[in-house]
Amino acid sequence: AQSVAQPEDQVNVAEGNPLTVKCTYSVSGNPYLFWYVQYPNRGLQFLLKYITGDNLVKGSYGFEAEFNKSQTSFHLKKPSALVSDSALYFCAVRGAGGNNRLAFGKGNQVVVIP
Amino acid sequence: DAGVIQSPRHEVTEMGQEVTLRCKPISGHDYLFWYRQTMMRGLELLIYFNNNVPIDDSGMPEDRFSAKMPNASFSTLKIQPSEPRDSAVYFCASSLGEGPYEQYFGPGTRLTVT
Repeated sequence: AQSVAQPEDQVNVAEGNPLTVKCTYSVSGNPYLFWYVQYPNRGLQFLLKYITGDNLVKGSYGFEAEFNKSQTSFHLKKPSALVSDSALYFCAVRGAGGNNRLAFGKGNQVVVIP
Repeated sequence: DAGVIQSPRHEVTEMGQEVTLRCKPISGHDYLFWYRQTMMRGLELLIYFNNNVPIDDSGMPEDRFSAKMPNASFSTLKIQPSEPRDSAVYFCASSLGEGPYEQYFGPGTRLTVT
């Protein structure tokens, strides 16, 4: 079975400071990993994904994520947080050889303090 | 492309009534997913289709829930009879093929059952 853990309920960060949202995963075989963001009263929006290759993946709005196979982690990062980054962030995983069903984490609320 | 379209955006109904949620996936996408989001349970996959055929409905809560996809551009999720515990935001998402493709989410339908 595939699963994702997002250990923190809420991440508070001051505007301009680095932002990190943690994600660890469990899956059989090679993983496909995804990050999504959800703003209030909106659907989930795709940010970035890891398929293979370079462990550092760059995505939308200045976000990036680092894949670490030995630690089974895929942490989301942004060098300088903006107030507009305040939202709910979801990590998701599926096995490379499996079906298209994604396992989502519970989500992390990010609050960027002006 | 208009993205995934869902209707209605909001639905308020009384317990015991039938509710029908509608979804139009992105043209050319052959996977369609129905999710439910609540504060208590987070994001849950209810059912997904490939080429209009239901593949996995193990997340459908009970027989009161049913989903259909009569063609590649339309799907419905029906609840009959509805109960207050069905109150949630229901999302539809679609994606391309078998590969590492991200899912694109609609704006959701906020269902309130009184």
